Amino acid sequence: DTEVTQTPKHLVMGMTNKKSLKCEQHMGHRAMYWYKQKAKKPPELMFVYSYEKLSINESVPSRFSPECPNSSLLNLHLHALQPEDSALYLCASSQDIGQGAYYGYTFGSGTRLTVV
Amino acid sequence: AQSVTQLGSHVSVSEGALVLLRCNYSSSVPPYLFWYVQYPNQGLQLLLKYTTGATLVKGINGFEAEFKKSETSFHLTKPSAHMSDAAEYFCAGDQAGTALIFGKGTTLSVSS
Repeated sequence: DTEVTQTPKHLVMGMTNKKSLKCEQHMGHRAMYWYKQKAKKPPELMFVYSYEKLSINESVPSRFSPECPNSSLLNLHLHALQPEDSALYLCASSQDIGQGAYYGYTFGSGTRLTVV
Repeated sequence: AQSVTQLGSHVSVSEGALVLLRCNYSSSVPPYLFWYVQYPNQGLQLLLKYTTGATLVKGINGFEAEFKKSETSFHLTKPSAHMSDAAEYFCAGDQAGTALIFGKGTTLSVSS
């Protein structure tokens, strides 16, 4: 299995809703990443996990809450989002921080989130 | 801090013409460099990457890129464009080994 699987593919949520995005990989990768991509813009790094511990938080608002319950699974919990949070949320994985550059990063196809 | 700059937000070519997408990096130490392609409403697909060794890197779909340290460049080329190449292309770098940092992207349009 050489894929990163993201669910759901599309999500519409209200500003008072609580929802979660899920990312799963079975490649034995120990680093996992969340990126946010607005339309016509490059992906922007949000969070990095290494060995299930949060390694990098790029000053992301607390209404986004990441969770890595095990080495294969990465969640992004969403609460009280704003319409400007509407974007494509991409998950990626790599062998580990420091090795991703050499062995490469694998991206999922993303969750397209619309906040209404 | 290492950064990646893509020159030209939009490139238009005719089918069969040469494709040249430009990417420059800023760093005193050559980083690891990547080119990704993104089709509408899809995720990112790796075209090719430079780590160490050979400076001419061949990727998928007929694309290649040459790492030029003297010019701090990693331009992407394809000898003959196909309609299916129309997409968004991102150059990305990873020097610190923490995560990918992307350039602003170049939209490639291919006309018949």
